[in-house]
Amino acid sequence: GAGVSQSPSNKVTEKGKDVELRCDPISGHTALYWYRQSLGQGLEFLIYFQGNSAPDKSGLPSDRFSAERTGGSVSTLTIQRTQQEDSAVYLCASSFQGNEELFFGSGTQLSVL
Amino acid sequence: SQQGEEDPQALSIQEGENATMNCSYKTSINNLQWYRQNSGRGLVHLILIRSNEREKHSGRLRVTLDTSKKSSSLLITASRAADTASYFCATDTYDKVIFGPGTSLSVIP
Repeated sequence: GAGVSQSPSNKVTEKGKDVELRCDPISGHTALYWYRQSLGQGLEFLIYFQGNSAPDKSGLPSDRFSAERTGGSVSTLTIQRTQQEDSAVYLCASSFQGNEELFFGSGTQLSVL
Repeated sequence: SQQGEEDPQALSIQEGENATMNCSYKTSINNLQWYRQNSGRGLVHLILIRSNEREKHSGRLRVTLDTSKKSSSLLITASRAADTASYFCATDTYDKVIFGPGTSLSVIP
């Protein structure tokens, strides 16, 4: 596609349920990033992929969070046993090789009730 | 702790005035980038300055980088109401890109 695509756009879930967020980066972009943004706050780094490998997972808040990337393209961020504090906008971005400008998707608004 | 921190946190100016935002960071960087976020979600890339560059221009934007002070500034000249947004600096630390908390800019018509 022409840009970074994220789905779903909005997700409302109950506390304790698992959710899966998807990111389709721009074709040919090898670097992919996940960030989390709470209302009125900055972007919190979660994880970075170069190809299918994640050199830095240090930003994942807890072991309930995991992410994978397959075929050097689509990435999924999974949150198990969601908690209310997980409510935020989850943003995905890709760049051609890393070390270049990031192109952002529109994000997934996650609300945990 | 934040790798990058902007100041001020919020800035309100009249249309036509210039707006200056600053960013400080802690570790060595490969490059520094500025992004804009309108209310809503998507961030838009504004400008990238590499560690061996000191100043860069793009339209009404001027960015400076002082690696000895580990700081950068973003100047928006002749501001417009449409420039109202949050502005973030992002530091590329060779292994990941870290964002600061942002500056909220309001341009009053």
